[in-house]
Formats: sequence, structure tokens, C-alpha cells
Amino acid sequence: QTVVTQEPSFSVSPGGTVTLTCGLTSGSVSFNSYACWYQQTPGQAPRTLIYSTNVRSAGVPDRFSGSILGSKAALTITGAQADDESDYYCVVYMPSGIWVFGGGTRLTVL
Amino acid sequence: EVQLVESGGGLVKPGGSLRLSCAASGFTFKTHSMNWVRQAPGKGLEWVSSISSTSSYIHYADSVRGRFTIFRDNAKNSLFLQMNSLKAEDTAIYYCARGSVPGSSPQMGYWGQGTLVSVSS
Repeated sequence: QTVVTQEPSFSVSPGGTVTLTCGLTSGSVSFNSYACWYQQTPGQAPRTLIYSTNVRSAGVPDRFSGSILGSKAALTITGAQADDESDYYCVVYMPSGIWVFGGGTRLTVL
Repeated sequence: EVQLVESGGGLVKPGGSLRLSCAASGFTFKTHSMNWVRQAPGKGLEWVSSISSTSSYIHYADSVRGRFTIFRDNAKNSLFLQMNSLKAEDTAIYYCARGSVPGSSPQMGYWGQGTLVSVSS
């Protein structure tokens, strides 16, 4: 059973840059994994930030960007703001046609 | 404006059944695949099931296969999740999420606000 890995927590200073990653316990995340990234604050539904690895969803600021770094998908936030403090989830599309979510990263801005 | 509105959640006893619905509007429902995703209290997101636009392809997470059934009614712009033999670990907020159109990159773009399912005696 493939597991999607994310950093459990991360911290960034206001105005700073942070890169969150999304990997696989077996194999690599590639463009064919169509990784998506979501932001979720308590009590709210997830908000789509990035789909297909690096395509920003409508209305998402360009300080959020997606990429492949080595064998992982990555979400980079530049110029972090206080309201970026959220949980971030990645999801990867498997060749079998199923989606697998990572455990999420809690981002603190301080 | 794309809207997805889930309903049908509630409190059910272990072993019981529940049917969730997702009413879609603001897009051509019949051309998009659809998904159910859940989130247990205080936990992360878990993909549950997906169905293609014509219902030709259906997938389930191992945790629900054999107990849950996803189906859709394109004439009524609606997605459903029939949940049988419910267990305490099925307690979660259930979200429906819009997928992609055939030939385009897989994605789960738009999400509803979710409906809460509680399984408890």
C-alpha cells in the first residue's frame, strides 16, 4: 500500500518563503501523478490551491506555486502572510485510478 | 458559479445504512467525474470513491469497498453515496468534489461544504 508523505508541521516567518513537499513511500511523484494541493482552516471545507502539479486554481494568489522537486511534488508559498496559517494537504492520482491523500502539513506563520 | 451541496448525513447506529446526496449546479454535471472524500474528526482527508461521467469507471478506497456504493443521476445533476454496514470509523464529514472531464488531467477542483455522518450506538 503506497503512502503519501507530507511534513507534519512547518513554520515560516511572515514574509518568508516555505516549501512543503509531497512524496511516496514507494516510487516518485511525477507530472503523471497530477498532484493537487489544498488549504484548509478549521471548520472549513478544503480550498483548492493547485491542480495538475502546477496549475493554480482560479483566484489563488501567484505567491502559491506548485512544482516537482526531485521525486516529490512541492508547494511553495512566497511572502507568507498570517492568514496562510492553515493545514495543507496534497493528493496524488495513482495509475490504478484512485487518489491518495497525504497526512497534511500544519503551517504556522510566526 | 459551481455549487455542490451535500445532504443526507446524520446519526446512525453501527451496522446501519445511510445515503448521501450531492446536488450539483453551475456546470455541466454529466461531463465531469465526481468524487467523495471524507474527514474524520480532527484527522486528515481520505478519498473514498470516484465515478466517471458515464458511470463506466468506479473506484473505491479499500476501507469502504464492499460496503459503500457510489452512483449518479446525470438527469438530476446528482451524486450519491450509499453507505451500508456502517462502522464507528466511518464517522466523518463527507465532501463531494468535482473531478475532470474525459481527456483532461485528473483533478478534484470544486468541493462542497460537506455533510456530517456520525456512527454511534
